[in-house]
Amino acid sequence: DTAVSQTPKYLVTQMGNDKSIKCEQNLGHDTMYWYKQDSKKFLKIMFSYNNKELIINETVPNRFSPKSPDKAHLNLHINSLELGDSAVYFCASSQGRGPQHFGDGTRLSIL
Amino acid sequence: DQQVKQNSPSLSVQEGRISILNCDYTNSMFDYFLWYKKYPAEGPTFLISISSIKDKNEDGRFTVFLNKSAKHLSLHIVPSQPGDSAVYFCAASAPTGGNNRKLIWGLGTSLGVNP
Repeated sequence: DTAVSQTPKYLVTQMGNDKSIKCEQNLGHDTMYWYKQDSKKFLKIMFSYNNKELIINETVPNRFSPKSPDKAHLNLHINSLELGDSAVYFCASSQGRGPQHFGDGTRLSIL
Repeated sequence: DQQVKQNSPSLSVQEGRISILNCDYTNSMFDYFLWYKKYPAEGPTFLISISSIKDKNEDGRFTVFLNKSAKHLSLHIVPSQPGDSAVYFCAASAPTGGNNRKLIWGLGTSLGVNP
């Protein structure tokens, strides 16, 4: 039973395209997150939603737009992809002060 | 400015010996600390945590020590096993208002346990 699942696992696309990454959690958690892990392996928070409400929005280009249709889903849409967007994107969820549970990541490569 | 630092990018130990992974932080608002383990091509997996009101938490082979005055925590793995070979991330949590919290991550330490 996958607790936090993201799709697709791999995404190869061209510069300028628009793409979406989906995330779903079946843990009943009320908070979901998107992280970016860059080439230096640094995990950086991008967004956090609590019960479908945006609570953390770090300095991220507005080409990145999260959407939470319900508290079990947090999707990430990226417009006009750039070379620097190449990274691994992780979705996570948590409940209260409990630990965050992560998906296995989406490896985005921009050609 | 990195608020959570893991100064050793890698560590190599012999199977059966102790592995000690270190983490330093700068923000005194952090009140909850976590260690995560990450295998290649997988997401980080929660390992163990400690609240700032404690100085030690133990779970099987894993023990986390917190020294608040030094703003330092460490993860001890004993005995180390080859399956422990992974990247270990230290993370620190602080309240950001209401019930919301923010997690700040270190850059990770790659542990290799040699048979």
